[in-house]
Amino acid sequence: AQSVTQLDSHVSVSEGTPVLLRCNYSSSYSPSLFWYVQHPNKGLQLLLKYTSAATLVKGINGFEAEFKKSETSFHLTKPSAHMSDAAEYFCVVSDQNDYKLSFGAGTTVTVRA
Amino acid sequence: DVKVTQSSRYLVKRTGEKVFLECVQDMDHENMFWYRQDPGLGLRLIYFSYDVKMKEKGDIPEGYSVSREKKERFSLILESASTNQTSMYLCASSLFWESVGGYTFGSGTRLTVV
Repeated sequence: AQSVTQLDSHVSVSEGTPVLLRCNYSSSYSPSLFWYVQHPNKGLQLLLKYTSAATLVKGINGFEAEFKKSETSFHLTKPSAHMSDAAEYFCVVSDQNDYKLSFGAGTTVTVRA
Repeated sequence: DVKVTQSSRYLVKRTGEKVFLECVQDMDHENMFWYRQDPGLGLRLIYFSYDVKMKEKGDIPEGYSVSREKKERFSLILESASTNQTSMYLCASSLFWESVGGYTFGSGTRLTVV
């Protein structure tokens, strides 16, 4: 069985400061891990994915995430937040060779001017 | 550009009505999925289909059924809508059997049952 825990339901940052969204996962097999973003009234957009290649994954819009097997974590970071980063972010896990995705509860990011 | 289109952005239905939510993808994807999204719960899988006329239950199938008569179209059916089915419904599709490629999501249908 697989599951995801997003450790923060809300994160508030000032524009230009770093963003950290925390995610821990559990998986019976080698996991695939994803971060999706959802802007208000929009569908989900894939930010980045880890599928057993490099442990540091770079995504779109300056985001990156690091897979740490020993800590079962896949935290999302961005060095400098922009107003357009205000959205909801979902950490997602899947056992490789499985169709099924398991979503975290989501983290809402607010960016202050 | 790859697209998943959900026919309605907002719907308001009465308790007991039969409700159809439609989803169309133009990417020739084999897999299609229906999720519901509720605050604090993330996305939960209702049903998915890996081929025409094939379907499998997800985590919360009760009160729902699906239909996939053509590869590009996947319909979610609420046989008798209830107020606890008020939610955001998201359709998604993917090319591969595995999830490695990621999913493409539609913009969602916000359903209110009164």
